[in-house]
Amino acid sequence: RKEVEQDPGPFNVPEGATVAFNCTYSNSASQSFFWYRQDCRKEPKLLMSVYSSGNEDGRFTAQLNRASQYISLLIRDSKLSDSATYLCVVRGAYSSASKIIFGSGTRLSIRP
Amino acid sequence: GAVVSQHPSWVICKSGTSVKIECRSLDFQATTMFWYRQFPKQSLMLMATSNEGSKATYEQGVEKDKFLINHASLTLSTLTVTSAHPEDSSFYICSARGYREGTGELFFGEGSRLTVL
Repeated sequence: RKEVEQDPGPFNVPEGATVAFNCTYSNSASQSFFWYRQDCRKEPKLLMSVYSSGNEDGRFTAQLNRASQYISLLIRDSKLSDSATYLCVVRGAYSSASKIIFGSGTRLSIRP
Repeated sequence: GAVVSQHPSWVICKSGTSVKIECRSLDFQATTMFWYRQFPKQSLMLMATSNEGSKATYEQGVEKDKFLINHASLTLSTLTVTSAHPEDSSFYICSARGYREGTGELFFGEGSRLTVL
């Protein structure tokens, strides 16, 4: 089983739709969770951190479920510019050398 | 905010030559940097963890003698692909962790696209 698993893509949705991604992780000791966005042939960029209480940033909502060991990302009122690959990132114990594991990514394509 | 700079952005080399990629943290010190490789349409795969002043820690399946990592200062880590072959052609990305707001956000370099002919 992979340490971090994401919904298989690609997701192809119309502009304005709501889309949700899930990501599960295997290490219950994982401490930090993030969603990154990667555009084609570019480096990943942080979209948002995921906090235990859940957090929202505009049209984006991230949630963490420690009991079930998954995190989610919800995108409301999707825009064409949201088309990208979304990477789930999980980090172990909070130390400078703790390993950071990436999910395989979920490709999202927003159509007009 | 924290910035990580990577150089060169792209490089084309002949098979058998060595290529060095630099990763610099521009406004913060990074005792630990990470090197990733990404093949087309695949996710980032961690190759190694670069530790300032000590040996890098390599992931399983990554040849340490082929991918030489040097982290001689708190702001610079280098990855040297020795005797490169076409199968080494990939997108190499470095990253370092900043501690903005205590979340440990990972900052990435712009990536280096290596093409081995």
